[in-house]
Amino acid sequence: QVQLVQSGAEVKKPGASVKVSCKASGYTFTSYGISWVRQAPGQGLEWMGWISAYNGNTNYAQKLQGRVTMTTDTSTSTAYMELRSLRSDDTAVYYCARDGSLGMSVYWGQGTLVTVSS
Amino acid sequence: DIQMTQSPSSLSASVGDRVTITCRASQSISSYLNWYQQKPGKAPKLLIYAASSLQSGVPSRFSGSGSGTDFTLTISSLQPEDFATYYCQQSYSTPQVTFGPGTKVDIK
Repeated sequence: QVQLVQSGAEVKKPGASVKVSCKASGYTFTSYGISWVRQAPGQGLEWMGWISAYNGNTNYAQKLQGRVTMTTDTSTSTAYMELRSLRSDDTAVYYCARDGSLGMSVYWGQGTLVTVSS
Repeated sequence: DIQMTQSPSSLSASVGDRVTITCRASQSISSYLNWYQQKPGKAPKLLIYAASSLQSGVPSRFSGSGSGTDFTLTISSLQPEDFATYYCQQSYSTPQVTFGPGTKVDIK
């Protein structure tokens, strides 16, 4: 069965960086893209970006351009999302999700809480 | 960028009620519209994709309709496990997708 297992919660200081991992299993990793979505406390879902696990092509949300980098390691079927220059409003639960053929996401990771606090 | 709006932002309903949630896109997105259910502390769950296709394993009381810019999610008879927040998502401009702001369904 398809599973996406994310790394554990992180606490970071403003200005620091965080790197969240998403380990995939149960399917051919390079056949699907991975999207990253975040959700601030009590707020809605915000798309952050996407990476092709086939060739590493990326597409980032404009508001995060320059601060976010998404990568994959095909040898371990793991996707990574790094966010730099953290601010308090980056405090959120970060999700990875596997994309489907019509752009929807059927499979999601369990979420990783990133707290940015001095 | 394609913007998504939802109405209402919240609603109160009773078990057995018929519930309808509306989603509107800022431009035509054909049928590239998906609906998710999210419960507190959990990841979103796909209910409907391509505007009206029921995701495998999702109860048939959920249905979706619409095309172009206007879409609806209907729950024909609300069950206790359906109290949650519902999000629409456009995937017309995939991989750049956009979520609506959400509709919270709670108990009257």
